[in-house]
Amino acid sequence: DTGVSQNPRHKITKRGQNVTFRCDPISEHNRLYWYRQTLGQGPEFLTYFQNEAQLEKSRLLSDRFSAERPKGSFSTLEIQRTEQGDSAMYLCASSLAAGRGGYTFGSGTRLTVV
Amino acid sequence: DAKTTQPTSMDCAEGRAANLPCNHSTISGNEYVYWYRQIHSQGPQYIIHGLKNNETNEMASLIITEDRKSSTLILPHATLRDTAVYYCIRTGANSKLTFGKGITLSVRP
Repeated sequence: DTGVSQNPRHKITKRGQNVTFRCDPISEHNRLYWYRQTLGQGPEFLTYFQNEAQLEKSRLLSDRFSAERPKGSFSTLEIQRTEQGDSAMYLCASSLAAGRGGYTFGSGTRLTVV
Repeated sequence: DAKTTQPTSMDCAEGRAANLPCNHSTISGNEYVYWYRQIHSQGPQYIIHGLKNNETNEMASLIITEDRKSSTLILPHATLRDTAVYYCIRTGANSKLTFGKGITLSVRP
């Protein structure tokens, strides 16, 4: 297992288009988290899953955002009708349920909306 | 609300110890202190965490004061590759991580 994998690494899209990102967590980790990070800021929590159940969503996650983890393994984050303000790095992390060992983050997907 | 306070930046010389402070004066008894770092254009990397006792691993040492209101991350022999943003986070055992802006460490040759 090579860690948390995110695809694509970079995505440029036109305003109004839909985009989807994928995250493959560490296989034995049953928690999966999505964060967003803009320039000069720390990562901001968006949502997390335990297995296939989405247990918490941030107020940052507007109705244009949806995340799924259908089989408790990989996850997708979709943004509909993208806006320029959605431009950011989208980070995925995974951990064991207790979370004590720390999160393992992927390298992120950098989204640019033009 | 990241609930911890860190200086904005600091620097140290290569080969010297880097001591990164963090204030968490309102920490609860069941909250851990976690440290992560983020090198430019990469995801954050877990460094170390602790509850009450000092901790050491291959990357760093974590010194937590007896009253748990503050802590210090120590990189014993800083290298240029340690230049990064370091985040100090307090969180419950089963809670999500909430990041602040962190401290930017610059290691100079």
